Amino acid sequence: DTGVSQDPRHKITKRGQNVTFRCDPISEHNRLYWYRQTLGQGPEFLTYFQNEAQLEKSRLLSDRFSAERPKGSFSTLEIQRTEQGDSAMYLCASSLALEASAPGADTQYFGPGTRLTVL
Amino acid sequence: DAKTTQPPSMDCAEGRAANLPCNHSTISGNEYVYWYRQIHSQGPQYIIHGLKNNETNEMASLIITEDRKSSTLILPHATLRDTAVYYCIVRVYSGYSTLTFGKGTMLLVSP
Repeated sequence: DTGVSQDPRHKITKRGQNVTFRCDPISEHNRLYWYRQTLGQGPEFLTYFQNEAQLEKSRLLSDRFSAERPKGSFSTLEIQRTEQGDSAMYLCASSLALEASAPGADTQYFGPGTRLTVL
Repeated sequence: DAKTTQPPSMDCAEGRAANLPCNHSTISGNEYVYWYRQIHSQGPQYIIHGLKNNETNEMASLIITEDRKSSTLILPHATLRDTAVYYCIVRVYSGYSTLTFGKGTMLLVSP
């Protein structure tokens, strides 16, 4: 399977605990995005990497959240001191940024998501 | 990014064409129309995108009006596995831009 993979698929934790999610993008994709989706809503952008550089963070990404993409390959999203409001699906997407004039470049492909439940 | 308007839900009989409308009256000249769908408890799946010409791939067809203020996603022969939430998104195609999802259209395909 050459799609985006995420691990774990489900995580149940108690309030106050730290959790870490992993995303493995499509091979050779240089852009990686994290989104969060709560029940009944569409996904919301959290942060974006071009290679290993984190270039944008949403205001939704509080200081309890941190994301890394060492060596420009897989990425991790950590939530510290989880709160019940953090319960959501966390989605990762990757894309290949080509020349701006190339049609179809930067189409984002999503992984299956990690479902987080904070008790 | 420009905002889009979609009906909250639609029904379609299996084997018939599903036509999903989207209004994007404030779309700019450098914005593309993207369609994704999300089957329950899965990540969004890319379907198709276009600028101003009609587009077709193995999954669907995208019809964009001449004034680009609306578009229609067509699933030519809907199956039960096409039951999903369909999102219409407009985004700038230059540099990078994120996807701004609305609530989409819940398409229910029935036998």
